[in-house]
Amino acid sequence: AQSVTQPDIHITVSEGASLELRCNYSYGATPYLFWYVQSPGQGLQLLLKYFSGDTLVQGIKGFEAEFKRSQSSFNLRKPSVHWSDAAEYFCAVGSGGAGSARQLTFGSGTQLTVLP
Amino acid sequence: DAGVIQSPRHEVTEMGQEVTLRCKPISGHNSLFWYRQTMMRGLELLIYFNNNVPIDDSGMPEDRFSAKMPNASFSTLKIQPSEPRDSAVYFCASSITANTEAFFGQGTRLTVV
Repeated sequence: AQSVTQPDIHITVSEGASLELRCNYSYGATPYLFWYVQSPGQGLQLLLKYFSGDTLVQGIKGFEAEFKRSQSSFNLRKPSVHWSDAAEYFCAVGSGGAGSARQLTFGSGTQLTVLP
Repeated sequence: DAGVIQSPRHEVTEMGQEVTLRCKPISGHNSLFWYRQTMMRGLELLIYFNNNVPIDDSGMPEDRFSAKMPNASFSTLKIQPSEPRDSAVYFCASSITANTEAFFGQGTRLTVV
């Protein structure tokens, strides 16, 4: 069974500082990996995804993530955090083959606080 | 495209009442998912449909929960009778195929008193 671990429940950074949110996954085959962001009272917005190819993927809002198969990790990074980045971030792994609907398993989320 | 549309945004109901949550997926998307988000359990997949057919409902908590997708543009999640422990935010999501990302609606915040 697939699973996702986000070891950091809450992270606080200062505005302008760099950010790295950790994500480890467990999946038998090549995973489909995603990062979503959820602002208070809002739905989940996709930041970026990895299916195959280049292991460093660029997303929206200046975020990037790197897939490391050897470490079963897909950490999210941003070089300089903005106050508007304060939100909850979810890593997810997807399964499913040709002709089947994909299931997403989410991590428990990391709440990001940005200090002025 | 307006994205995934859920209604209502907020629902407050009394224990024992029937609750129906609605979802309109993005046009052209073949897969639809219902998720529940709570503080204790995080985001849980309840059920998903592929081409209007329920594929896996193993996440549905109990028989009080039912979901339908009568056509490609509409799905409902029904709770009958509702209980306070059903209070949560319920998200609907849709995706084009198995190999594309899911787009989420803004959720329905359900409070059962």
